[in-house]
Amino acid sequence: DQQVKQNSPSLSVQEGRISILNCDYTNSMFDYFLWYKKYPAEGPTFLISISSIKDKNEDGRFTVFLNKSAKHLSLHIVPSQPGDSAVYFCAASVGGSYQLTFGKGTKLSVIP
Amino acid sequence: ETGVTQSPTHLIKTRGQQVTLRCSSQSGHNTVSWYQQALGQGPQFIFQYYREEENGRGNFPPRFSGLQFPNYSSELNVNALELDDSALYLCASSLDWTPSTDTQYFGPGTRLTVL
Repeated sequence: DQQVKQNSPSLSVQEGRISILNCDYTNSMFDYFLWYKKYPAEGPTFLISISSIKDKNEDGRFTVFLNKSAKHLSLHIVPSQPGDSAVYFCAASVGGSYQLTFGKGTKLSVIP
Repeated sequence: ETGVTQSPTHLIKTRGQQVTLRCSSQSGHNTVSWYQQALGQGPQFIFQYYREEENGRGNFPPRFSGLQFPNYSSELNVNALELDDSALYLCASSLDWTPSTDTQYFGPGTRLTVL
């Protein structure tokens, strides 16, 4: 039973446009959510996070939105750059711990 | 550069054998977590150590075990290897156990192939 779902395996976006990556979860006990970016042959790199007490968190070009009633979160990247091309993982935890449950990832391709 | 290193980079074993994977965390990082990432999947939590004690475990059998040492290195041991154990194994370290106050850094992983 997959508790964190990223239903889009891939996404292509033109450089300069907005990239929106989506994530759904089923476990209502999740109270902390994180996004990681992964380049080939490297480990995941932390991008941005959000606590369940918030509905939005912003860091530069990256914004994460959380809709608890829909059990849905999204990552917005504006403007998208070719260097953003990577696999993006959504992750969640219970009790604000680092024992994370990951989605399968979405491969983002930003086309120059 | 995350400061987290893993060895070896690649490893090939046969079914039934035992394997030890190693991770070196940043100095001062008290928490280390291990994940298994099968092909086409997201990382799956194996277990976490905080100050040399296991403080959380995912849905993995006891043949997956670990150790964390005072010098901020750690090991993942897998006994009686099975074909399904073929995966990328990631370790991740952080100062603390919660992302609300701290950032977790992943190593590049060890690719294990079981034949």
